[in-house]
Amino acid sequence: AQSVTQPDIHITVSEGASLELRCNYSYGATPYLFWYVQSPGQGLQLLLKYFSGDTLVQGIKGFEAEFKRSQSSFNLRKPSVHWSDAAEYFCAVAPFFKYIFGTGTRLKVLA
Amino acid sequence: NAGVTQTPKFQVLKTGQSMTLQCAQDMNHEYMSWYRQDPGMGLRLIHYSVGAGITDQGEVPNGYNVSRSTTEDFPLRLLSAAPSQTSVYFCASRGTGGADTQYFGPGTRLTVL
Repeated sequence: AQSVTQPDIHITVSEGASLELRCNYSYGATPYLFWYVQSPGQGLQLLLKYFSGDTLVQGIKGFEAEFKRSQSSFNLRKPSVHWSDAAEYFCAVAPFFKYIFGTGTRLKVLA
Repeated sequence: NAGVTQTPKFQVLKTGQSMTLQCAQDMNHEYMSWYRQDPGMGLRLIHYSVGAGITDQGEVPNGYNVSRSTTEDFPLRLLSAAPSQTSVYFCASRGTGGADTQYFGPGTRLTVL
C-alpha cells in the first residue's frame, strides 16, 4: 500500500541553525513527491516537488529536498532557519493527483 | 486570480444537521479534491473529481456527498453531521498535466456538537 511516514512529530531548532525534516514513502513506481508548509490557521503552500530528473530539488524560501530512491526518502533541508519558518510541514506522495500525506512535522524555532 | 476559495471559514453544527461546504476555483482546473485534516493524521482524501459530472470516493468518503456540475465549483455536502466530522476541510484543485501543482484553499473549520 502507498504511504508516507514523517517520523518526527515535533522538531525544535534555534534560529540560524540548519534543519532537516525526514520523509519516507512507500510506493510501487517512481513517485511524485511534494513538501507543503502550513502556517497556523492557513492553507497549504507548496515548497517544492519532485517528478523526475535531478534528485536535488530547490524550492521556495530557501528550502531544498533530496530524493533517494535506495532509501525511499525525500528529506527536506534548509541551511539556516528563520523564525518565520515555524509552521507545520507535510510530505506527500502522489499517485497522479490523489495525494497521500504524511502526518506532518511541527517546527518550532527558538530565538 | 483568486485561486481556490472556500466558504464558510468557520461553521458550528448540531448533530444531525446538514450543510454544504462551498469550493470554487478560477484556474480552469479539471481536477478537484476535498481533504479533511485532523490532528496527528495529516490530510485524508474524502472525494475527488476529474471533471464536470465525474466524481469518485477517496479514503474517507462516508457521511459526505459531492457533485460537480461545473468546472469551477465542487461543493461538499454533509448529510447528517456527526461529532466525528469535526475537522478542518480543505478543497484543492490542479490541472491535468503530470507535473502540475495542486493548489489548496484556505480551509473551513467545522465543529459538530
